[in-house]
Amino acid sequence: DAGVTQSPTHLIKTRGQQVTLRCSPKSGHDTVSWYQQALGQGPQFIFQYYEEEERQRGNFPDRFSGHQFPNYSSELNVNALLLGDSALYLCASSSQTEAFFGQGTRLTVV
Amino acid sequence: RKEVEQDPGPFNVPEGATVAFNCTYSNSASQSFFWYRQDCRKEPKLLMSVYSSGNEDGRFTAQLNRASQYISLLIRDSKLSDSATYLCVVMEYGNKLVFGAGTILRVKS
Repeated sequence: DAGVTQSPTHLIKTRGQQVTLRCSPKSGHDTVSWYQQALGQGPQFIFQYYEEEERQRGNFPDRFSGHQFPNYSSELNVNALLLGDSALYLCASSSQTEAFFGQGTRLTVV
Repeated sequence: RKEVEQDPGPFNVPEGATVAFNCTYSNSASQSFFWYRQDCRKEPKLLMSVYSSGNEDGRFTAQLNRASQYISLLIRDSKLSDSATYLCVVMEYGNKLVFGAGTILRVKS
């Protein structure tokens, strides 16, 4: 049983570019959440998808958008990248009682 | 006030020591509570869930005090491999996780 998988694992982008990160949830999980973790900080909630809709959103600008597909996989899109968007982006899939994380995508904006 | 607050440490302890981490949370409606462990540049991994009755898993004991909105983690007989960042995590409505900034533990021989 595959756990949560994310791609790519590492990415380098230039300021102003756009990026798409991908996540496949753990089997049996229908809820996917995205988190941003800056160096030395705890993960910060970006948004959550359930039944292909954004159900909750954290305090992130509209440059951050997402999508969930019928197979529950999800994408995170970030437009007009800023240097401050450099971080580890984590995807978590969850049931009612627990959440598991993918290995993350480390995004560097130069 | 941060939603979940932890002492960032670092806690530097010798092998075999007992160490305790504490955490407070602000949302009294929070539903579930966890400790996650995160190794350098890796994803957080679930260490254990936390219940009001307390729960133990080997050398690890976690406790929740809902009245005080306080969560604790006790590690006995520390091992070098316990060195990591320990994240206090609260699950809110809709499975949204709110993380503390983490407590760094360094176990030294």
